[in-house]
Amino acid sequence: EPEVTQTPSHQVTQMGQEVILRCVPISNHLYFYWYRQILGQKVEFLVSFYNNEISEKSEIFDDQFSVERPDGSNFTLKIRSTKLEDSAMYFCASSGASGETQYFGPGTRLLVL
Amino acid sequence: EDQVTQSPEALRLQEGESSSLNCSYTVSGLRGLFWYRQDPGKGPEFLFTLYSAGEEKEKERLKATLTKKESFLHITAPKPEDSATYLCAVQARDTGRRALTFGSGTRLQVQP
Repeated sequence: EPEVTQTPSHQVTQMGQEVILRCVPISNHLYFYWYRQILGQKVEFLVSFYNNEISEKSEIFDDQFSVERPDGSNFTLKIRSTKLEDSAMYFCASSGASGETQYFGPGTRLLVL
Repeated sequence: EDQVTQSPEALRLQEGESSSLNCSYTVSGLRGLFWYRQDPGKGPEFLFTLYSAGEEKEKERLKATLTKKESFLHITAPKPEDSATYLCAVQARDTGRRALTFGSGTRLQVQP
């Protein structure tokens, strides 16, 4: 069964460093998303990406964040200068042509020291 | 602003003891309501999508129902392997919007 994959599974970084989180969405899906979940809190939407551009973003997704689809299979989230409060699980998701049901990856646990 | 409230926060059941989880929502026109299961340290695993009031979906011991204001996830004769956090999320119908708004989840523990 097709699934969303994410790398790395864990990342530790120093405050102020740049990190890139990688995702391979389900192959025939057209919508791609990033969510995050701070420990003990709700899953929060960050950004959606469709037709090679951002289609929607939340207030959390400020200028420190960017997304890219560098090739036909990968989808990345870059945090330019990490802050302590960026520590969270980051989930990638994808959905088909209707853009409704979203399938999530296993997540990347990011720890900013 | 879309809002999702789930209750109870935590639920402990004996194996075989059926119960229901509640998800109340406020959304500016519902495109879909989604139930996910989340195990500790893992990503949400899709269970059901419901689109309109009166709709029901079933999978093994789980049944999801939808009204205009809330959804229920009924668990019949649960087993210990059903222990997880169950998340409810809504998606608004607005053009171009695909973001899911999640509730805080119900943490279910099923004891043998």
